[in-house]
Formats: sequence, C-alpha cells, structure tokens
Amino acid sequence: GDSVTQMEGPVTLSEEAFLTINCTYTATGYPSLFWYVQYPGEGLQLLLKATKADDKGSNKGFEATYRKETTSFHLEKGSVQVSDSAVYFCALSDAGGTSYGKLTFGQGTILTVHP
Amino acid sequence: EPEVTQTPSHQVTQMGQEVILRCVPISNHLYFYWYRQILGQKVEFLVSFYNNEISEKSEIFDDQFSVERPDGSNFTLKIRSTKLEDSAMYFCASGADRDIRNSPLHFGNGTRLTVT
Repeated sequence: GDSVTQMEGPVTLSEEAFLTINCTYTATGYPSLFWYVQYPGEGLQLLLKATKADDKGSNKGFEATYRKETTSFHLEKGSVQVSDSAVYFCALSDAGGTSYGKLTFGQGTILTVHP
Repeated sequence: EPEVTQTPSHQVTQMGQEVILRCVPISNHLYFYWYRQILGQKVEFLVSFYNNEISEKSEIFDDQFSVERPDGSNFTLKIRSTKLEDSAMYFCASGADRDIRNSPLHFGNGTRLTVT
C-alpha cells in the first residue's frame, strides 16, 4: 500500500538557518504530494503541493520538488523564522486510484526555531 | 477565511461509553472526512463521506464507528463503545472537490479524545 516516510525529528534551528525536511514515498499509482503544517493549537493547513513529476510547489518561502526518480518530496526553506515553528507533515494522495480525497501522511516532523 | 470547526476540543470518557464528536464543515463543501492521530503516530484516514453516504473507509473504521450529517451543517463521528485504544486526536476535514489536487482539504483543530 501507499506510505510516506519523513525524517526523524524534532528539528531545532536558529533563526535564518537553512531548513530541509526529508520525505520519501511509496505509491502504486501516480500520487500527488503535499506538505501540511500544524501550528500550535491549530488544525493542519496545506502549505504546498505538487501533482506530477518535476513540479515544484512553493509557498511562504518553502519549496519542495516532486522527484519521481528518487520518490522524494523534500521540504526546504532558505531562512527560517521563529514563526515557522510547527509540525510539518508530508502526505500523498493516490490520484491514479479512486481515493482522491484520502491522504496518506508521514509521521510529522516537529520544527523549533530559536531567535 | 471560512474554517472547519470541531467541538469539543477535549473529550474525556470512560471505556465502554458512547461518544459523539462534532464538526461543522465549510458551508459550500460537499466532501467530508475524519482522520485520527494516536499520540506519537501518523495521522490516519478513517472515513470519507459524500452525498449522505460513506465513500470510503479504512480498516480502522469498524462497526463501532459511524458518521452522520444530521442537519445539513454538522458532520458527526460516533464511537458506540469506546476502548482505551480509541484515545487519539480526531480531525475533521472538508473539501469542495473530490479531487484534492483541485481543491485542498481544510482541517479543523481537532478533538482530543481520552478514554479512561
């Protein structure tokens, strides 16, 4: 079945540091890939997405490129801020199947950014 | 911006009791979902719901679980006889389109269910 694996956390960075959170996936069809973010006390929010190979999703300075050859969708940001402290979830939806609305999530990575 | 609202934020119940978790999806959305996250584990899909019937459910969603949209605005998840292992954060989500590539899922803040 489909699965998503994220790098182990938590990740602790200083403000303005470079961020990478690794995400790899296994899927039988042609998945779409997503990054969701959960700020303290809030629900999951879509951060960015990519729906086909080589697409780059971007939002709020975050980027991730859909790499089919390495089955990866790593999240990057060049300069993190304290306000980026949150839990980040990589997820996929198997767009080649019938489960369009069903997301398969990774385990989440806690990011803490210190001033 | 419209949002998905879940109540209560925290529910404590005794093992064997029935519990109903409530959600108010975004008003023009047609597709509804429940997910859960056991502490320290992944967020897991439970069920999707469209046109007043279940579209898909996971193996977790057994006969102890049911969903309902009783009045056109609320979307509920009922657990008939709670078990200790049902303790988790339950997230409701809604979407405007079946294909979430076109329209992303909007999640509520979650209900933390604690079964004692």
